[in-house]
Amino acid sequence: GQQVMQIPQYQHVQEGEDFTTYCNSSTTLSNIQWYKQRPGGHPVFLIQLVKSGEVKKQKRLTFQFGEAKKNSSLHITATQTTDVGTYFCAPILTGGGNKLTFGTGTQLKVEL
Amino acid sequence: NAGVTQTPKFRVLKTGQSMTLLCAQDMNHEYMYWYRQDPGMGLRLIHYSVGEGTTAKGEVPDGYNVSRLKKQNFLLGLESAAPSQTSVYFCASWPTGQGSYEQYFGPGTRLTVT
Repeated sequence: GQQVMQIPQYQHVQEGEDFTTYCNSSTTLSNIQWYKQRPGGHPVFLIQLVKSGEVKKQKRLTFQFGEAKKNSSLHITATQTTDVGTYFCAPILTGGGNKLTFGTGTQLKVEL
Repeated sequence: NAGVTQTPKFRVLKTGQSMTLLCAQDMNHEYMYWYRQDPGMGLRLIHYSVGEGTTAKGEVPDGYNVSRLKKQNFLLGLESAAPSQTSVYFCASWPTGQGSYEQYFGPGTRLTVT
């Protein structure tokens, strides 16, 4: 089946520092979604990327989809304590049903 | 709208016991999903449904059964619980339709099998 790896697994930053998580696939993806899960919470949708080389921004968050559509990244500028959580990439599987396959996730901790 | 709700929030079972987890959504969404999340891992799809009366297997279906008798409800059953099924279970729904692509997740059910 489709496998998606995320790196790093954990990241500790000081508030104000930048943060990036990378998502890599062994196969070409049709699209990819990103979700955030706060500690003890449920995944919340952030964004979907579809086009090769696509870049989307949401305030301090920048999402990129690789030219070959095999990788994606999420970059947070000037982290805040509210950014704490685990960030998952989740490509949509082929075969109908809008099924997601979640990456392993990157857990972000932000220290004051 | 309550969104996606899950019942119960917590449950402890003994090995061999059975139980049913209920997921309900009031957004008239067509597609519904059951995931499990183990510590430090991403979510894995157990079963899903693309409409009332339909179900299909996901990535890790063994040991689970599902039913979608009503559009708003998606039930996940464990016939004979095993310690390996200790996990947090999330239900999600998806509205379909043009421009609709995010899955809405419930708050989760934390299940412990001893």
